[in-house]
Amino acid sequence: DAGVTQSPTHLIKTRGQQVTLRCSPISGHKSVSWYQQVLGQGPQFIFQYYEKEERGRGNFPDRFSARQFPNYSSELNVNALLLGDSALYLCASSFLGGNTIYFGEGSWLTVV
Amino acid sequence: AQSVSQHNHHVILSEAASLELGCNYSYGGTVNLFWYVQYPGQHLQLLLKYFSGDPLVKGIKGFEAEFIKSKFSFNLRKPSVQWSDTAEYFCAVNAMNRDDKIIFGKGTRLHILP
Repeated sequence: DAGVTQSPTHLIKTRGQQVTLRCSPISGHKSVSWYQQVLGQGPQFIFQYYEKEERGRGNFPDRFSARQFPNYSSELNVNALLLGDSALYLCASSFLGGNTIYFGEGSWLTVV
Repeated sequence: AQSVSQHNHHVILSEAASLELGCNYSYGGTVNLFWYVQYPGQHLQLLLKYFSGDPLVKGIKGFEAEFIKSKFSFNLRKPSVQWSDTAEYFCAVNAMNRDDKIIFGKGTRLHILP
């Protein structure tokens, strides 16, 4: 079975631009979460979606938004990019409820 | 609010040495506990997890961790490390039976000398 897949793997954006990152969960998983991992830090929770509804939100500004589609895939959008948004963005999927959560390889975003 | 504290930011050991990485968490309720590993250039992988039951948990690649509830600790151990264990290790906590929000520690970078 395929794991959590994310695209693109690497991208470079300019300050002020907008970016969309995509995630496909493991087949059968209905919960998708997004994390930001800044270099030298542990991942930080951004959002969780389950059955297309937001279930949780971390301490991130409104420039960050996400959605989940009927096939349970998800997109993370970041508007008005700042240099500090440069990070590895991780998507994770699971069956809801604290069971094992599986991470994708991430999308490396560099803002210049 | 939940938080996770990892005691060591960078650890250097020789092959065959024993390893213990400290982790303490802060949360008043029942938690699930995890150790994840991130090898250079690879994605986060689950090493082991504790949900309930025996507080001594065995994971992959010879790692184990012990949950000590009274100390809010979940330390990771391995009796004899190998060069291939060079990686970054993250302790993490999730409030049981709630959403999938995982709180990670800042990580411990482990470097094994051949």
